[in-house]
Amino acid sequence: SQTIHQWPATLVQPVGSPLSLECTVEGTSNPNLYWYRQAAGRGLQLLFYSVGIGQISSEVPQNLSASRPQDRQFILSSKKLLLSDSGFYLCAWGFGAPPEAFFGQGTRLTVV
Amino acid sequence: AQSVAQPEDQVNVAEGNPLTVKCTYSVSGNPYLFWYVQYPNRGLQFLLKYITGDNLVKGSYGFEAEFNKSQTSFHLKKPSALVSDSALYFCAVTDMDDYKLSFGAGTTVTVRA
Repeated sequence: SQTIHQWPATLVQPVGSPLSLECTVEGTSNPNLYWYRQAAGRGLQLLFYSVGIGQISSEVPQNLSASRPQDRQFILSSKKLLLSDSGFYLCAWGFGAPPEAFFGQGTRLTVV
Repeated sequence: AQSVAQPEDQVNVAEGNPLTVKCTYSVSGNPYLFWYVQYPNRGLQFLLKYITGDNLVKGSYGFEAEFNKSQTSFHLKKPSALVSDSALYFCAVTDMDDYKLSFGAGTTVTVRA
């Protein structure tokens, strides 16, 4: 069966520091991969998605970037964190179009 | 462009009563609709989906949803709510050619004992 791993579960980082959140999927090949951000425990904002290695689509221009160095690995990064980057970050995977997304457990990022 | 509206920020029901969480959508082609549930500080869990076929879709934990094309709605229902159903519920939509899901703002459900 397929599983998705996302880490760390919580992270506190100072303003201006770099960020790297990692997500990996097991038990499947060539999945679509997604990064979402959830602010204030409510709506989900799609940040990036990828349909293949090295293919990244950005939905919202901002202080973050994403990379997919391997088929089942998706990384969310920032060179310098802002206070506004705080939130709950969710990785998800799915197949084809339309996708049925399966979510990781999320990372709670607090920028101080 | 596709979008989802969940008109109620919060729904409160007594345990044992029926539960309805509303969702309306807008999509250019045929809609593909999903419901997810989120417990505090956790990821989203898939409940059910409508792709095609029967307008009444049954999902996990006794939930069901009814697709209504004329009203562009996909309301989530449960005949008898449990306290453990208290959570944040998200409706999502996409169309056949899209790789992305568009989520609603979420509805917080509170079931009181």
